[in-house]
Amino acid sequence: GAVVSQHPSWVICKSGTSVKIECRSLDFQATTMFWYRQFPKQSLMLMATSNEGSKATYEQGVEKDKFLINHASLTLSTLTVTSAHPEDSSFYICSARVAGGYQETQYFGPGTRLLVL
Amino acid sequence: EDQVTQSPEALRLQEGESSSLNCSYTVSGLRGLFWYRQDPGKGPEFLFTLYSAGEEKEKERLKATLTKKESFLHITAPKPEDSATYLCAVQVLTGGGNKLTFGTGTQLKVEL
Repeated sequence: GAVVSQHPSWVICKSGTSVKIECRSLDFQATTMFWYRQFPKQSLMLMATSNEGSKATYEQGVEKDKFLINHASLTLSTLTVTSAHPEDSSFYICSARVAGGYQETQYFGPGTRLLVL
Repeated sequence: EDQVTQSPEALRLQEGESSSLNCSYTVSGLRGLFWYRQDPGKGPEFLFTLYSAGEEKEKERLKATLTKKESFLHITAPKPEDSATYLCAVQVLTGGGNKLTFGTGTQLKVEL
């Protein structure tokens, strides 16, 4: 099956620093990747859609200058949380889209838990 | 606005006690409905995709069905290892790109 990895799985940082999270599709090429965030006891909220070689599309209310997304290759997308603050602490999950004709599926990574002190 | 509502929020079953989870949706045009399983502290694991009313899919003790307004995830003779949060998500035909809109999930606990 399609495997998506994320690194790191856990990160603790001081307020004001930047954190980079990597999302890789291990056994397939993903032209589209997605970044979600999930708060405790809540569902997944889409932050942005990342297309290889082009600018990411951000959902309403998500600050593009704070959450920088780069999709430099067909197997790698990165999310950088710039000048992180405690309210950015959350569980960040990426997914990669596998398309096959009309049918397509998003496969998710294991998530990255960010704690900003 | 596309909406996805899951019920119940939480469900506690005894091992072997079959039940169903509900996902009702209101969208402009459904392209696909997805079911995922999420364990605590992990990313969602793909279970099924349903595309048209009347479609059914099965995997071990799980069976997903779809109508024009809702989807059910039937769990037959559940085991403790089926305990998880089950999420459904919809993908719309136009204007939504390829994004998924998730429901809030049903937290299932299966006890011995």
